[in-house]
Amino acid sequence: AQKITQTQPGMFVQEKEAVTLDCTYDTSDPSYGLFWYKQPSSGEMIFLIYQGSYDQQNATEGRYSLNFQKARKSANLVISASQLGDSAMYFCAMREGQINTGNQFYFGTGTSLTVIP
Amino acid sequence: DAGVTQSPTHLIKTRGQQVTLRCSPKSGHDTVSWYQQALGQGPQFIFQYYEEEERQRGNFPDRFSGHQFPNYSSELNVNALLLGDSALYLCASSRTGDSMNTEAFFGQGTRLTVV
Repeated sequence: AQKITQTQPGMFVQEKEAVTLDCTYDTSDPSYGLFWYKQPSSGEMIFLIYQGSYDQQNATEGRYSLNFQKARKSANLVISASQLGDSAMYFCAMREGQINTGNQFYFGTGTSLTVIP
Repeated sequence: DAGVTQSPTHLIKTRGQQVTLRCSPKSGHDTVSWYQQALGQGPQFIFQYYEEEERQRGNFPDRFSGHQFPNYSSELNVNALLLGDSALYLCASSRTGDSMNTEAFFGQGTRLTVV
C-alpha cells in the first residue's frame, strides 16, 4: 500500500485566492511526522511545514497551514493568498518515528500547482 | 553557510556505463540520504549513510551503491546503467539524533539521462 497518496495531479488557482492540496497517509506507527515540500523547476526540495502525529493543533507557517485530520489520516496543505511564485510541484511526505528509525521520507506523487494572474 | 551541494548538475551517459554522483551535506550534518525521482513521480528512497556505513536501504538493486567519506560527503554509484535509471537524483542531509520534526535539507539534484 502507498504510504502517501496525493490524488490531484494538477491544480489551478487565481492569484490572491486560497487553495487546498490534498494528502492522505497510511502508517501503523503511532509516532510520525508529516511534511510538505515545494519543488520549483530548479529541482530543489524546499521545506514548507511540518505536523507531528501528537500535535494537538494544526501547524501554520506564514501563508501555509496544514489541515490535519488524524482519524481520516489526512494532512492537507492550505496556501492562502496565492502568489505567482507559488507555481511549483508540491509534495507531501512522511517520516515514521518507531518503525523506521533511519528517518527515511516517504513521498507522494506530487501536485502541480499553477497560479493564474 | 552553504547548503547541500550536488555535482554534477546534469549528466548524460550511455546504457551499460557506470556513473558517480557526489553530495556535500549541509554544515553540521552527518547523515546523507539519496533519493531517485523519476519524471512525474515523487522521490524514492535509495539508501542512507551515517558514520561511513549504509544504515538503511530502499528497494533498489545492488547496481546502486554508495560511499560516505570522513568529512560526511557522499557518493552514489550506479553500475550497468539502464534507460530506466534516467531521473533526478536528490541528496538530503540531516543530523543523527534530530527530532522527528526536523526537516531534511535537499540539494538541487543531479539530472541523469541514460541514452
